[in-house]
Amino acid sequence: DAKTTQPPSMDCAEGRAANLPCNHSTISGNEYVYWYRQIHSQGPQYIIHGLKNNETNEMASLIITEDRKSSTLILPHATLRDTAVYYCIVRHYAGGTSYGKLTFGQGTILTVHP
Amino acid sequence: GAVVSQHPSWVICKSGTSVKIECRSLDFQATTMFWYRQFPKQSLMLMATSNEGSKATYEQGVEKDKFLINHASLTLSTLTVTSAHPEDSSFYICSARARQGYDYGYTFGSGTRLTVV
Repeated sequence: DAKTTQPPSMDCAEGRAANLPCNHSTISGNEYVYWYRQIHSQGPQYIIHGLKNNETNEMASLIITEDRKSSTLILPHATLRDTAVYYCIVRHYAGGTSYGKLTFGQGTILTVHP
Repeated sequence: GAVVSQHPSWVICKSGTSVKIECRSLDFQATTMFWYRQFPKQSLMLMATSNEGSKATYEQGVEKDKFLINHASLTLSTLTVTSAHPEDSSFYICSARARQGYDYGYTFGSGTRLTVV
């Protein structure tokens, strides 16, 4: 699976939008971009995923560049409870020989300040 | 939505004993489950992939005789840490894959904090 690169940490003011970048320049055509977050001492929580189109759900928006080499996760109105480690993961479509396993990088520690 | 229950949430055991951790998919059938380990201030490290009814596939460097994985049903996978030692103290997390349309979603358990004394 393609490797991802994320900034180690970011800060955001409460109520403002948090924009978390991810670089996946070696992504191939059948690989999805997934975002998860992990609040301290809990299991990862699914946020959003996409292939090439921008996606939005109740939690966040995912913007994928046209060449698919990078993406941005947007939390439109960050709250203190959004403080967590955010992981950007790229993996093959379910039919891949890797059984679709998710491989976690180091992620971005997002700290939301009052 | 898909829910994965992991039990226990924390356990303390004596060195040399074995500990079993359960991972259950509550409202869906999971043909594939994954086990991760996470040390403090580090990311999740995949230990093994288990498919229902077959032997688990272990990642390089993970001792299959020490970390026994059983996936006997579509809703239950267990991880047994045998002859535990203090260096096995870690946060263990399971994940279950469920089919959603043409793709799969991944749901994680809440994790098990293992402390070996």
